[in-house]
Amino acid sequence: SQTIHQWPATLVQPVGSPLSLECTVEGTSNPNLYWYRQAAGRGLQLLFYSVGIGQISSEVPQNLSASRPQDRQFILSSKKLLLSDSGFYLCACEDPSNTEAFFGQGTRLTVV
Amino acid sequence: TQLLEQSPQFLSIQEGENLTVYCNSSSVFSSLQWYRQEPGEGPVLLVTVVTGGEVKKLKRLTFQFGDARKDSSLHITAAQPGDTGLYLCAGAQGNKLVFGAGTILRVKS
Repeated sequence: SQTIHQWPATLVQPVGSPLSLECTVEGTSNPNLYWYRQAAGRGLQLLFYSVGIGQISSEVPQNLSASRPQDRQFILSSKKLLLSDSGFYLCACEDPSNTEAFFGQGTRLTVV
Repeated sequence: TQLLEQSPQFLSIQEGENLTVYCNSSSVFSSLQWYRQEPGEGPVLLVTVVTGGEVKKLKRLTFQFGDARKDSSLHITAAQPGDTGLYLCAGAQGNKLVFGAGTILRVKS
């Protein structure tokens, strides 16, 4: 079965500082990978998705970027954080043979 | 505009009551999934429905996929406090997995 490791669980960063959130996947090959952001108690906003190494699709213009340097590694980054970047970030993995997604535990980012 | 519209947005009921949550779209999906999420954690898959008209049961939860594969419902019988959480529907749009805004369910004992 698929396992997703996402870290850190909690992060407090000052405005203007860089960001790097990492997500790694085990138990599957060539998965579709996703980064979502979630407002408190609400649905998931798709930020980026990737169908393969180096292939990144961005859903919304923003202060963030994503990279996929390896098949099972997905990184969310920012060069300079804004207060509005605060939120709960979730990495998800989907086996292309079905559409069921498995999620990491999430990262609570607070920009101060 | 949400591709998947969920209703209601928030539901607060007493233990033992029944409830239904709806997920609607103008688009046809090859499949729809339902997830449940607890605070501070990632969503966990409950079920996937694939065939139009399909009904799946998971203990006290009944999931239905509309005949036209544009909508789905989740019915909970005799809700319990442990059912409290955020319920999300999701569907695949090409390579993207998109989610509804979710229904917050609170079951009071």
